[in-house]
Amino acid sequence: GIQVEQSPPDLILQEGANSTLRCNFSDSVNNLQWFHQNPWGQLINLFYIPSGTKQNGRLSATTVATERYSLLYISSSQTTDSGVYFCAVLPSNDYKLSFGAGTTVTVRA
Amino acid sequence: KAGVTQTPRYLIKTRGQQVTLSCSPISGHRSVSWYQQTPGQGLQFLFEYFSETQRNKGNFPGRFSGRQFSNSRSEMNVSTLELGDSALYLCASSFLGLAGGLTDTQYFGPGTRLTVL
Repeated sequence: GIQVEQSPPDLILQEGANSTLRCNFSDSVNNLQWFHQNPWGQLINLFYIPSGTKQNGRLSATTVATERYSLLYISSSQTTDSGVYFCAVLPSNDYKLSFGAGTTVTVRA
Repeated sequence: KAGVTQTPRYLIKTRGQQVTLSCSPISGHRSVSWYQQTPGQGLQFLFEYFSETQRNKGNFPGRFSGRQFSNSRSEMNVSTLELGDSALYLCASSFLGLAGGLTDTQYFGPGTRLTVL
């Protein structure tokens, strides 16, 4: 099956700092989403971005499908940005949404 | 529009019992998919239902089963529970689902946290 690798596994930031999270995938995909999992376990949609660039407030994402990676940018981080960020992909030749292992972000005041 | 709801939110069972979890999708969504999240294995796809039909299934034993009703609500059943079934079970809904070359955003519910003793 498709391999989804996220880096770094852990990230500690000072409030106000910027950061970049990366998601590499091993095969072509029809669907790529970024999620933030809150402390209670709910996955919150951040972006649906199989290709191109999108921005939403302090967050933005870019997917380069031909090179099989996606980036999530967090600017001017706040303590409420803490949590686990997941990348999930739907392979073009399969119908199972596959998740990376996640990046745990801790933002310190 | 109401989000995806899951019931119950927390559940404690003992080994050998069975359990049924429920998921109500966003109104108008026809696809419901289920996922298991554990610290060791991460988030894993269980199965997807679309218009009452199971369209795809992950690599889980037959003890894990599900169904979808005509109103798109879905249930997931785990029989003969094992300690390793302790996990957060998440469901997601979408309009187009995961198959057919067209996909759209998956919206997740809050999850059911199952503990098997």
